[in-house]
Amino acid sequence: EVQLVESGGGLVQPGRSLRLSCAASGFTFDDYAMHWVRQAPGKGLEWVSGISWNSGSIGYADSVKGRFTISRDNAKNSLYLQMNSLRAEDTALYYCAKDLMVQGVLYYFDYWGQGTLVTVSS
Amino acid sequence: DIQMTQSPSSLSASVGDRVTITCRASQGISNYLAWFQQKPGKAPKSLIYAASSLQSGVPSKFSGSGSGTDFTLTISSLQPEDFATYYCQQYNSYPPTFGGGTKVEIK
Repeated sequence: EVQLVESGGGLVQPGRSLRLSCAASGFTFDDYAMHWVRQAPGKGLEWVSGISWNSGSIGYADSVKGRFTISRDNAKNSLYLQMNSLRAEDTALYYCAKDLMVQGVLYYFDYWGQGTLVTVSS
Repeated sequence: DIQMTQSPSSLSASVGDRVTITCRASQGISNYLAWFQQKPGKAPKSLIYAASSLQSGVPSKFSGSGSGTDFTLTISSLQPEDFATYYCQQYNSYPPTFGGGTKVEIK
């Protein structure tokens, strides 16, 4: 059974940093691209960032480019999101999501974690 | 970026009703279209990909159709567990983008 468990969320002041983690199990982690998708309170879904199976291809939404860094550790079956220079508009539930394609990037998310809440406020 | 527009934004329906939700892309996306279901306080769940392919484990009362710019999600007979918000998402062009959602409520 595919499981994705996010952690690292919390309350942080504007301009500060936070690092999210996602622990994956139930599938061959290093075969699949992984993504972060967020949802502001009461709002819709927004893709944030994605990383290919071998970290060779990385992408970001314009809203976070230059502030957020995605990475992965295949030996630890883990995905990360380093978030710097946080803003109030980054407040959201952050989901870790698995890509469907084996050793490729399709940007279709077949499994999702339960999310970790990031609140940016002074 | 490709804009995804869902309609209606909300609807009220009764148990047993056939429900159709529409998603329109601002430009052609072939069949690179997915549908997700989200219940309150829960993560999104994938239902359909490639416009009409059912994700493993999803009941056949859900079906999808369309190609190019216009797509539909149909629930053949609405059950209590189907009341949720549904999102479409295109993955033909980078960046991937979602529709605004359709909330299906009990009449």
